[in-house]
Amino acid sequence: EAGVTQFPSHSVIEKGQTVTLRCDPISGHDNLYWYRRVMGKEIKFLLHFVKESKQDESGMPNNRFLAERTGGTYSTLKVQPAELEDSGVYFCASSQGGGSPLHFGNGTRLTVT
Amino acid sequence: GESVGLHLPTLSVQEGDNSIINCAYSNSASDYFIWYKQESGKGPQFIIDIRSNMDKRQGQRVTVLLNKTVKHLSLQIAATQPGDSAVYFCAENKDDYKLSFGAGTTVTVRA
Repeated sequence: EAGVTQFPSHSVIEKGQTVTLRCDPISGHDNLYWYRRVMGKEIKFLLHFVKESKQDESGMPNNRFLAERTGGTYSTLKVQPAELEDSGVYFCASSQGGGSPLHFGNGTRLTVT
Repeated sequence: GESVGLHLPTLSVQEGDNSIINCAYSNSASDYFIWYKQESGKGPQFIIDIRSNMDKRQGQRVTVLLNKTVKHLSLQIAATQPGDSAVYFCAENKDDYKLSFGAGTTVTVRA
């Protein structure tokens, strides 16, 4: 079974530019999550999709972040315009729901200069 | 807000010894806890989980202990191997889907 895949693995952009991160969950997993780890701190929840619907986006830091999951398959997370404090590792995870464990991708390391 | 935290940021262990990684949580309403292992360049990998109706659960070379009285969670690794070197996170499951992570403990295995 293929795991959660994320693209790109690394991204270096300048402040003010736009970046789009992509996540492909495990096939059949309706639940998809975005998390991020900033500056070696704890991993923080960003948002949760069930299929194509946003169930909880309470962790999104501000309106510069936009997540989508068209068709309930892969998801994208766009940061526009990027700021220095957005640097960190962005993780995507998926699960079958019903209390089953989350499976994480390897993350996208975003560096904003 | 309430959060999950870890007692120590680093742990150095001799190969072959047992490791114990500790975690304290503050949300007494949490009913599901998970340990994740993160190796360099990879995402968190599920190790073992435990629900609040249990106080101990064993896996392959790993044991998780839950003490609800003092809100303490620990991960025991038996016969620690070099491949166990990683950052270990405890996580608390809120609202049946939203994980709250601790800051992590970096485990280094000495040969």
